[in-house]
Amino acid sequence: SQTIHQWPATLVQPVGSPLSLECTVEGTSNPNLYWYRQAAGRGLQLLFYSVGIGQISSEVPQNLSASRPQDRQFILSSKKLLLSDSGFYLCAWSVGTVNTEAFFGQGTRLTVV
Amino acid sequence: AQSVSQHNHHVILSEAASLELGCNYSYGGTVNLFWYVQYPGQHLQLLLKYFSGDPLVKGIKGFEAEFIKSKFSFNLRKPSVQWSDTAEYFCAVNQANTGFQKLVFGTGTRLLVSP
Repeated sequence: SQTIHQWPATLVQPVGSPLSLECTVEGTSNPNLYWYRQAAGRGLQLLFYSVGIGQISSEVPQNLSASRPQDRQFILSSKKLLLSDSGFYLCAWSVGTVNTEAFFGQGTRLTVV
Repeated sequence: AQSVSQHNHHVILSEAASLELGCNYSYGGTVNLFWYVQYPGQHLQLLLKYFSGDPLVKGIKGFEAEFIKSKFSFNLRKPSVQWSDTAEYFCAVNQANTGFQKLVFGTGTRLLVSP
C-alpha cells in the first residue's frame, strides 16, 4: 500500500533562518506531488506541484521554493524565513490522469519567531 | 478564480444530533468536489468525493453529501453524529477532467460533538 511521510511534525525557526521540509511517498511510481499551506484563518492553499523529477510549478509568488530530486521525494525550502511563512504545511500525492483524489501527509506546523 | 466558502467555522453538537455543514464554490466549469476530514492528531483523509453521476454521494462513517449544481453547493450531512466525529472538515473543489489535484479548499469547520 502507498504511504506518505512528512517531517518534521513541528518546527520553530527564527526569522531569517533557512527551511527544509521533506516529503517522501512509498508504494507508487511517478506520482504528482503537491505542497499546500494553511495560514491562520484561511483554507489550504496550493503552493507548488510537480508532475515529475525536476519539474516544479509554482502557484503563488512567495518566499519559498520546491524541488523534486527523486521520483518520490518532494522538498520545500526557504533561504530566509519570514514571519508570514508561519503555518501548517501539507504534502500530498496523486496518480492517474483524470479525476483522481489526493492523499495527504500528516503535516508540519511551522512557527517563525 | 475558484473559491470555496464554508460558512460554519465552529459547530458544537450533542451525540445523536443531525449534522449539516455548508459548502459553496464559485467556478463556472465542470468540477470535482471533495470533503476531507482531519481527526485530532491524524492526517487529512478523504471522506467522500463527487466526480459525476448521482449527485447524492455516500462516504465513509455514515456521511453523505449532495451536489446541487444550480446552487453551486456540496453540503455534508450525517443523520446522527457520534463523539468520534469530532474533527475538522474541509470542503474542496478542483477543475474536472485533469490529472492534477489543484484543489481549492474552504477554511474548514471544526466540529465538536459532546457525549
